[in-house]
Amino acid sequence: DAGVTQSPTHLIKTRGQQVTLRCSPKSGHDTVSWYQQALGQGPQFIFQYYEEEERQRGNFPDRFSGHQFPNYSSELNVNALLLGDSALYLCASSRWGITGELFFGEGSRLTVL
Amino acid sequence: AQSVAQPEDQVNVAEGNPLTVKCTYSVSGNPYLFWYVQYPNRGLQFLLKYITGDNLVKGSYGFEAEFNKSQTSFHLKKPAALVSDSALYFCAVRDAARGGYQKVTFGTGTKLQVIP
Repeated sequence: DAGVTQSPTHLIKTRGQQVTLRCSPKSGHDTVSWYQQALGQGPQFIFQYYEEEERQRGNFPDRFSGHQFPNYSSELNVNALLLGDSALYLCASSRWGITGELFFGEGSRLTVL
Repeated sequence: AQSVAQPEDQVNVAEGNPLTVKCTYSVSGNPYLFWYVQYPNRGLQFLLKYITGDNLVKGSYGFEAEFNKSQTSFHLKKPAALVSDSALYFCAVRDAARGGYQKVTFGTGTKLQVIP
C-alpha cells in the first residue's frame, strides 16, 4: 500500500520564479492538505482540498495556490518566489469526515536563491 | 482560533530514564490531539492521538500521552528512553466541531536528545 508520495524531493529556484509541487495521497484517501515548514519551525497550514475544491486556507498570500485532480492527487503552486518561501513543503492526506491522523509525505525541499 | 504550545525547545534525558515532552493547547470546542515525530530531513510520522474516551492514550514505540482537560495539556511520555528516540516531536490539535474540515495546528516542536 503506497503512502503519500511527493515530487520533486529537492529543488532550487531564484526569486521571482514560479514552482509547482506535486502530491499523491495514500490509497483510499480523498483529502489533501499542504503545510509549509520553515527551518526550525513547526508545520504551518497552507490549505486543504477535497472534491477538487479548496475547503480551508491558512494565512498565506494568494501567491500560493493549489489544485486537486479527479484522482485525488494535488499540486501546490507558488508564484513570484521570495527568499522567505524557502522551506520544506509537506503534503498530508486523510479521508474527509473521518476522525483520524494525517498521513504525511517526505516533503519537497524548496530553496529560493 | 486553535493553538499549541510546546514550552521546551529541547529535552535531554539519559537512556533508560523516563521522558516527558510537554504540550498545552487551546481550541474553542472539544479537541482532537496528536503527537508526531520527525527525523532529520523527513516527513512527520504519527505516534498517537486522543479523540475521545480514556485519558491515557498508548501509541507507537512505547509512547503514551495523558489528556488533561482541566489543564488543557497533552504531555507525551515514555517509561524508558532509547537513544533511537532522539528526534523532533510535534504536538498538534484540531477542533472536533469542524467536521470534515481538518485544519491541524502544530506546535513549534521539541527536540528530544537521549544521552547514552
